[in-house]
Amino acid sequence: EDKVVQSPLSLVVHEGDTVTLNCSYEVTNFRSLLWYKQEKKAPTFLFMLTSSGIEKKSGRLSSILDKKELSSILNITATQTGDSAIYLCAVEWGSNYKLTFGKGTLLTVNP
Amino acid sequence: NAGVTQTPKFQVLKTGQSMTLQCAQDMNHEYMSWYRQDPGMGLRLIHYSVGAGITDQGEVPNGYNVSRSTTEDFPLRLLSAAPSQTSVYFCASRRQAAGTYEQYFGPGTRLTVT
Repeated sequence: EDKVVQSPLSLVVHEGDTVTLNCSYEVTNFRSLLWYKQEKKAPTFLFMLTSSGIEKKSGRLSSILDKKELSSILNITATQTGDSAIYLCAVEWGSNYKLTFGKGTLLTVNP
Repeated sequence: NAGVTQTPKFQVLKTGQSMTLQCAQDMNHEYMSWYRQDPGMGLRLIHYSVGAGITDQGEVPNGYNVSRSTTEDFPLRLLSAAPSQTSVYFCASRRQAAGTYEQYFGPGTRLTVT
């Protein structure tokens, strides 16, 4: 069964909308959760979250981990067409710090 | 400082052929990984290495071999290519296993097996 589940799998919004992407996980020995943005090439790093529960922010993007619910959300406010991408959630876990990815959320922002 | 480099960028193989995807990093990172990405599947871990001489299997290791003789290089070998191995392959590296450090990705290799 999938260890990292993202929802929704795809989302279409209009410029200016606010979106919330979800990621839930079920792993042993959780280390951290990472968010990546992928446009037509390699993923680029957005945030890394740990069990401290501290919210991370960068411009219009923010993310927080809920360690009780074993989940994280990525918020994007005032979306722009340049936010269109696949957003990947990954969880670092285990004694060898493996990184397991979810299937991603395809976000399309229409003008 | 080139970061993580991968060669080739594109490759077409016939079923049964073998080949090696090259990956190199110049950041002295201990931890290196290979992923494959298929449409709608996210990235799936094939093999990883926590340092020179140490490798281990990920989620989808069948049909692939790796070795790590140096810190810089982590080649991925396809032993006998199959159409199911048609995918985009990403190599990644980060400083070390212990601790939460950002992972850097190479540009990817698009492989087609006919």
